[in-house]
Amino acid sequence: NAGVTQTPKFQVLKTGQSMTLQCAQDMNHNSMYWYRQDPGMGLRLIYYSASEGTTDKGEVPNGYNVSRLNKREFSLRLESAAPSQTSVYFCASREDAPYGYTFGSGTRLTVV
Amino acid sequence: TQLLEQSPQFLSIQEGENLTVYCNSSSVFSSLQWYRQEPGEGPVLLVTVVTGGEVKKLKRLTFQFGDARKDSSLHITAAQPGDTGLYLCAGDGSGGSNYKLTFGKGTLLTVNP
Repeated sequence: NAGVTQTPKFQVLKTGQSMTLQCAQDMNHNSMYWYRQDPGMGLRLIYYSASEGTTDKGEVPNGYNVSRLNKREFSLRLESAAPSQTSVYFCASREDAPYGYTFGSGTRLTVV
Repeated sequence: TQLLEQSPQFLSIQEGENLTVYCNSSSVFSSLQWYRQEPGEGPVLLVTVVTGGEVKKLKRLTFQFGDARKDSSLHITAAQPGDTGLYLCAGDGSGGSNYKLTFGKGTLLTVNP
């Protein structure tokens, strides 16, 4: 089925470790996004890529980096994980406004 | 920062009841979307409204975009347990950005059998 695929689904990291969250979409969408979702805070935008070759900071970019590898793939990297980065991370994509986002099923990250 | 306020934050009702949830802002949006999120999954798009005053129906769900394009409502008729989930509204295009949505914090709906 067409959609957004995120890997891994679950991850436990120790403080200071690094990791990359992978995201790929097969709908030929231009824009891709990384959000984190925390209880009481809603969905907060970390980084986005309006088109292949561009990336921009969102609301909460500190501690993260991104790479738009090609039109299909948009990865999120935590260089030195902190407990405050424990969250559920969602990747999303869309063709253009006003079309809606298609979300992946999320990565549940715990930093201990 | 454009804010979308959703109310109520939590809603627990019995099967068969009607309900309305609200999404309000002081900003004007070019379009507004509603999503439903079930536990352990990502949000899924329900509807996009574009024109001020627009009303869209999706089976037992009715969505309305305010005339001034600053607010929206979602009305569910005869709620069923399958309607349980987190309902999120998201606005597009406020402040000149058409690339990213602004999300509300959601209304968590529980429909009891």
